[in-house]
Amino acid sequence: GNSVTQMEGPVTLSEEAFLTINCTYTATGYPSLFWYVQYPGEGLQLLLKATKADDKGSNKGFEATYRKETTSFHLEKGSVQVSDSAVYFCALRTGGFKTIFGAGTRLFVKA
Amino acid sequence: SQTIHQWPATLVQPVGSPLSLECTVEGTSNPNLYWYRQAAGRGLQLLFYSVGIGQISSEVPQNLSASRPQDRQFILSSKKLLLSDSGFYLCATGEGNTIYFGEGSWLTVV
Repeated sequence: GNSVTQMEGPVTLSEEAFLTINCTYTATGYPSLFWYVQYPGEGLQLLLKATKADDKGSNKGFEATYRKETTSFHLEKGSVQVSDSAVYFCALRTGGFKTIFGAGTRLFVKA
Repeated sequence: SQTIHQWPATLVQPVGSPLSLECTVEGTSNPNLYWYRQAAGRGLQLLFYSVGIGQISSEVPQNLSASRPQDRQFILSSKKLLLSDSGFYLCATGEGNTIYFGEGSWLTVV
């Protein structure tokens, strides 16, 4: 079946460090891929998405590239800020009604 | 664009009491609607989804039920809450291949 695997957290970084959160997926067909962010006490917000191979999603300095050959969609940011501290969820959707989420990766950024 | 309203935002309920969480959506018609649960420190679990009025699909057998009495209204209910029902409940709606979430409802069962 379809699934999403994210690196376990928490990830702790200093401000201005480079961020990578790994995400790999298993899916039949050609899924759309997503990253969502959840700030403390809030719901999930769509951060970025990519709908086909080699697409790059980007938003707020975050980027992720849809890599079909490695079935990956790693999230990156060149310089994190304290305000980026949150939980990040990788997700996929194939045809149909369901979006499947990874377990989430908590990021702490220290000043 | 769509707006999702959920209420109540937080509630504390005793074991065995009933539950009703409500979600309404603005800015769209005939949306796909979803209820997810996030237990403390854990990922998201899809509980129910609905593609139209009165049409509910359940993803996991449990102590909860869902109803969709109107096109843009989705209700999560329980007749008797369990301690294990505690968590963060998120309503979501689909637009194209993307889903968007409400602000969530925190439920603590004591």
